Amino acid sequence: AQSVAQPEDQVNVAEGNPLTVKCTYSVSGNPYLFWYVQYPNRGLQFLLKYITGDNLVKGSYGFEAEFNKSQTSFHLKKPSALVSDSALYFCAVRDKDRGASGTYKYIFGTGTRLKVLA
Amino acid sequence: NAGVTQTPKFQVLKTGQSMTLQCAQDMNHEYMSWYRQDPGMGLRLIHYSVGAGITDQGEVPNGYNVSRSTTEDFPLRLLSAAPSQTSVYFCASSYLTYQTDIYEQYFGPGTRLTVT
Repeated sequence: AQSVAQPEDQVNVAEGNPLTVKCTYSVSGNPYLFWYVQYPNRGLQFLLKYITGDNLVKGSYGFEAEFNKSQTSFHLKKPSALVSDSALYFCAVRDKDRGASGTYKYIFGTGTRLKVLA
Repeated sequence: NAGVTQTPKFQVLKTGQSMTLQCAQDMNHEYMSWYRQDPGMGLRLIHYSVGAGITDQGEVPNGYNVSRSTTEDFPLRLLSAAPSQTSVYFCASSYLTYQTDIYEQYFGPGTRLTVT
């Protein structure tokens, strides 16, 4: 089955420093990968996705993600962290097989809490 | 557009009680889904739907029922609540394109459910 792993429960970074939130994937076939962010007491918001093509994907709020096929990783990055980036970040992957209804479901990681310190 | 709305925001149930979590979207999205979020477990898919009259099971469907009578609404029913169903529940929706089937989801604000 397809899966994603987020090896860090929490990442701390100082404001202004670059940040990385890690995600590794295990899929058969082409991976279709996503990043979402969840601010406190809110639903998830889409940040970016990788389908094919350029390994560096740019998304919302200055975030980008680097797809690395040899390392089976899809790490989320930002060159300069803001305190307002503090949130819970989820990596997700599209499942390999269609369900009985003919479409796919999506599998989420366990989430990484990012704390940006002023 | 209001986007994806969920009611109620909070709910406390006693074991064995039933209730329905409401979800509605005004974006004319074909795809709708329900997830539960638990500490250390991330988001787990309960049920999803690709259109009115069509539903499918996710990873953790037991104890939950769904139906989809309209494009806009996708209620989640707990027939006999158990403490293990204490969680935060999120509804999400998306466009559905059969050519690519690769799309981002829009999430509601969540319902925090406690079963005692």
